[in-house]
Amino acid sequence: AQTVTQSQPEMSVQEAETVTLSCTYDTSESDYYLFWYKQPPSRQMILVIRQEAYKQQNATENRFSVNFQKAAKSFSLKISDSQLGDAAMYFCAYRPGTTSGTYKYIFGTGTRLKVLA
Amino acid sequence: EAQVTQNPRYLITVTGKKLTVTCSQNMNHEYMSWYRQDPGLGLRQIYYSMNVEVTDKGDVPEGYKVSRKEKRNFPLILESPSPNQTSLYFCASRYAGLGNTEAFFGQGTRLTVV
Repeated sequence: AQTVTQSQPEMSVQEAETVTLSCTYDTSESDYYLFWYKQPPSRQMILVIRQEAYKQQNATENRFSVNFQKAAKSFSLKISDSQLGDAAMYFCAYRPGTTSGTYKYIFGTGTRLKVLA
Repeated sequence: EAQVTQNPRYLITVTGKKLTVTCSQNMNHEYMSWYRQDPGLGLRQIYYSMNVEVTDKGDVPEGYKVSRKEKRNFPLILESPSPNQTSLYFCASRYAGLGNTEAFFGQGTRLTVV
């Protein structure tokens, strides 16, 4: 069974600094997708960044980037130039590829990020 | 605007009183699903639907029912709610085609069963 592990329940970062959130996953599939979702106090689930397993290049979205290590099954999120608005719960998620016939997301337990002014 | 709409956003109910949480999407997505979010457990899938009249259990289906009579709607039914169903619930939808299609989430429903 696939699993997603976020080992850091809570992290803190100083405003304008860089922080890295960790995520590891376990799967026997070769075709899958990985995601980071942000959940601010409003509870809305907001997609931050996504990565296709077949792509070697790490995904980047403005201040957000990932370090995807397929062999190690690691998918960390780096937030550069942290802003107060980045404070939120962050969830790492895994989804099998379409050929698996399974469509569900598997989420980690979340990392609460605090940004200190 | 593309969106998934859940109602209500907050609900307090008593044990055993049947309730329905509605979910509607306007993107013509085939795939819809329900998750519950609990502290320390992340989001866990309750039920999902591949298309109209096609539903199946997720990881934590006990105590819940769903139906998919129309493509846009996927209500979650709690026939006899119990306090252990107090949770934050999310509905999500996605295009079921090939590729890395994005899942869209509703705003969440905070349910308290007393």
